[in-house]
Amino acid sequence: GAGVSQSPSNKVTEKGKDVELRCDPISGHTALYWYRQSLGQGLEFLIYFQGNSAPDKSGLPSDRFSAERTGGSVSTLTIQRTQQEDSAVYLCASSFGRGRNTEAFFGQGTRLTVV
Amino acid sequence: AQKVTQAQTEISVVEKEDVTLDCVYETRDTTYYLFWYKQPPSGELVFLIRRNSFDEQNEISGRYSWNFQKSTSSFNFTITASQVVDSAVYFCALSTNFGNEKLTFGTGTRLTIIP
Repeated sequence: GAGVSQSPSNKVTEKGKDVELRCDPISGHTALYWYRQSLGQGLEFLIYFQGNSAPDKSGLPSDRFSAERTGGSVSTLTIQRTQQEDSAVYLCASSFGRGRNTEAFFGQGTRLTVV
Repeated sequence: AQKVTQAQTEISVVEKEDVTLDCVYETRDTTYYLFWYKQPPSGELVFLIRRNSFDEQNEISGRYSWNFQKSTSSFNFTITASQVVDSAVYFCALSTNFGNEKLTFGTGTRLTIIP
């Protein structure tokens, strides 16, 4: 597609349930990033994928959070046993990655509400 | 550790006025990258500019200009002749990796242009 696509755009879930958030990056982009935007914490880095390298997971807030990137393209961010503090907008971005002098393009985000 | 400070939480100006958004950063790295992103009500982050630490030249793009001063660790953003379409939240960000990895964002400045 023309831009980074995220689905769903909105998700309401009950506390304790698992959720999966999807990101379709721009075709040809080798790097993919997940960020979280919440009222209390602002914009926080979560995880970064670059090609076939091991992902940089240093921003994941707990072991309830995990992410995969299949086939070097689509990524899924999974949150297990959701808590109310997980409520936030989850933003995905992609770029041509390391060694390429281009910017990251962001999707419109998935707004997650844990009730 | 890296830090980006945007002291101005909200700014309102009347249309056609000039406005400057402040950004102060902290890093111990000698090579780093500074960014500005715009977040309109639709939610996606729109890339505006990237600057590397070795390039202190100011940049102008239409009504937008950026002033990078290493001596004060600042990377300020000025909009001249503001327009209602400039209303958005603006984020300053820092990366010490090449390009876009692991951006550290400021808390953002909400800019409202009053018609």
